[in-house]
Amino acid sequence: GQQVMQIPQYQHVQEGEDFTTYCNSSTTLSNIQWYKQRPGGHPVFLIQLVKSGEVKKQKRLTFQFGEAKKNSSLHITATQTTDVGTYFCAGPWSNSGYALNFGKGTSLLVTP
Amino acid sequence: DGGITQSPKYLFRKEGQNVTLSCEQNLNHDAMYWYRQDPGQGLRLIYYSQIVNDFQKGDIAEGYSVSREKKESFPLTVTSAQKNPTAFYLCASSTGTGTYNEQFFGPGTRLTVL
Repeated sequence: GQQVMQIPQYQHVQEGEDFTTYCNSSTTLSNIQWYKQRPGGHPVFLIQLVKSGEVKKQKRLTFQFGEAKKNSSLHITATQTTDVGTYFCAGPWSNSGYALNFGKGTSLLVTP
Repeated sequence: DGGITQSPKYLFRKEGQNVTLSCEQNLNHDAMYWYRQDPGQGLRLIYYSQIVNDFQKGDIAEGYSVSREKKESFPLTVTSAQKNPTAFYLCASSTGTGTYNEQFFGPGTRLTVL
């Protein structure tokens, strides 16, 4: 599959601080998806980005897709304890079909 | 309620035994997937199926087998050839068509081989 690298692996913040996770690929991605997995749970889809330079917002979450479609970021403003979990980016596993190649994820811990 | 079910939630098996993990969906999705999750490793693709009676190997298919005889079902067999089978197994499905193709995940099965 087409590899996606994600950093940082872990992030510990105080409630109210901002958080950003980054995803990078050596190849151009047709699209990128972001998922959140709560502790003990399963991944839940957050968003898909398709266009070069695309920016999408969901309340306190801002998602960006790079101009070259090789990188992406997820930024959370003013974190809350409900943001705790692991955030994964995922690119297409191959040029055909819809299987995904997931990054290793960024685990976010928020302390009150 | 539409969704994906995986059973059982926890599974214990002795080394050398084959075990089959169930995955059923009632979302009318064409595509289904199996991923393996280990701590700090993200999700790795085992097998995927885009239509009934067809499936493809993912990155870590060795020691696993699947079948797709019905649209709703995509069981995964962990064989005795899988050298390190203890892991969290996640099944997912998606429509398999169109530009936007989010995957819906089941609750997972945590397999422990003793």
